[in-house]
Amino acid sequence: QQPVQSPQAVILREGEDAVINCSSSKALYSVHWYRQKHGEAPIFLMILLKGGEQKGHDKISASFNGKKQQSSLYLTASQLSYSGTYFCGTEFTSNTGKLIFGQGTTLQVKP
Amino acid sequence: GAGVSQTPSNKVTEKGKYVELRCDPISGHTALYWYRQSLGQGPEFLIYFQGTGAADDSGLPNDRFFAVRPEGSVSTLKIQRTERGDSAVYLCASSPVPPQRGSYNEQFFGPGTRLTVL
Repeated sequence: QQPVQSPQAVILREGEDAVINCSSSKALYSVHWYRQKHGEAPIFLMILLKGGEQKGHDKISASFNGKKQQSSLYLTASQLSYSGTYFCGTEFTSNTGKLIFGQGTTLQVKP
Repeated sequence: GAGVSQTPSNKVTEKGKYVELRCDPISGHTALYWYRQSLGQGPEFLIYFQGTGAADDSGLPNDRFFAVRPEGSVSTLKIQRTERGDSAVYLCASSPVPPQRGSYNEQFFGPGTRLTVL
């Protein structure tokens, strides 16, 4: 039931773009995206609800394809502060608040 | 305002001992979650409280793990007869309202307690 994230790791230069994918084999109710820096708490980025939608703020946006049970996180013109591990947390068909997280995608942005 | 706090930040114990991990959620948050995170992995759901009651404890690995939230605020995760495999970072998160169909709430995470069982 754990969602699969790809790629496992990404190395970028400042200003480059990245896409992180999250796929589930089971029907999803929502997808939550978090970023975690080493030794720190996960920080909430955004939530997307089934039905297909896209959200974004600043240069980080995400989409959710409810038919394919996939979500993608888009990082545009990456900054050094974007470095960290990105996790998608998935809720299945009922809205319980119980999140099943993927294994994470490590993003490193270099100057 | 103050975020989710967890104490202790680090706990080293010996195999077979009993430990308690504490979580102080954001004031007014009614939903509280415990997760466990092993190195290089995503957080793994353990238990979810709505108010004082455990709404979903399906993630607790076995009966050595138990959690309480007697007054609907602070929660304590209790681990009996600790094993080396229990070593991990235990994360607590809270949400302002219980999750309801048609709404969705972000979970605010605490810094975690790093548990090491020798």
